[in-house]
Amino acid sequence: NAGVTQTPKFQVLKTGQSMTLQCAQDMNHEYMSWYRQDPGMGLRLIHYSVGAGITDQGEVPNGYNVSRSTTEDFPLRLLSAAPSQTSVYFCASSKGLTNTEAFFGQGTRLTVV
Amino acid sequence: AQSVTQLGSHVSVSEGALVLLRCNYSSSVPPYLFWYVQYPNQGLQLLLKYTSAATLVKGINGFEAEFKKSETSFHLTKPSAHMSDAAEYFCAVSDRSRSDIAGNQFYFGTGTSLTVIP
Repeated sequence: NAGVTQTPKFQVLKTGQSMTLQCAQDMNHEYMSWYRQDPGMGLRLIHYSVGAGITDQGEVPNGYNVSRSTTEDFPLRLLSAAPSQTSVYFCASSKGLTNTEAFFGQGTRLTVV
Repeated sequence: AQSVTQLGSHVSVSEGALVLLRCNYSSSVPPYLFWYVQYPNQGLQLLLKYTSAATLVKGINGFEAEFKKSETSFHLTKPSAHMSDAAEYFCAVSDRSRSDIAGNQFYFGTGTSLTVIP
């Protein structure tokens, strides 16, 4: 089973460039989310979605956009990359019930120079 | 809002020694509680979860955690550390009291890095 697949695994951007981090899941999960992981800060929620066409902001949404056109895909867009967005990004999915676990992708390590 | 506190950002134990990683939550209604492990350059993997069926929860790789409502804690333990346990461990909660969208959100602690000394 593929689970949650993120691409790319690594990326270097110049300040001001834009890019899209891809996330796909094959478990028919309703709930998908994006986190960023920074040293000493744990994982912080950027955006989440509870189904196709429905997205909302998390704790740190500024500088990021999302859309959910299908159940399977939940891309994260950086509109104009900044050094502060250097981080490891994780996509996660879950069935949408509060007591179910979240399944995580392998992460995307992004460096903005 | 939910919050999670993990005491000790770094814990070192000798191989074969007891592992104890601490997690406290702040919520008037006990949340759903999870422990995740992250090995270097990998994503997060579920170790165990508490959903109110039993206060002592057993997980994978010999780990277990005990939910203590009076202490608002969910500490992770393993009787005997193995070299392969070296990783980052995250405690997370989701809001049991919410049946709407917000109940699906996970709140993570800042993580505890476990080092196992041979």
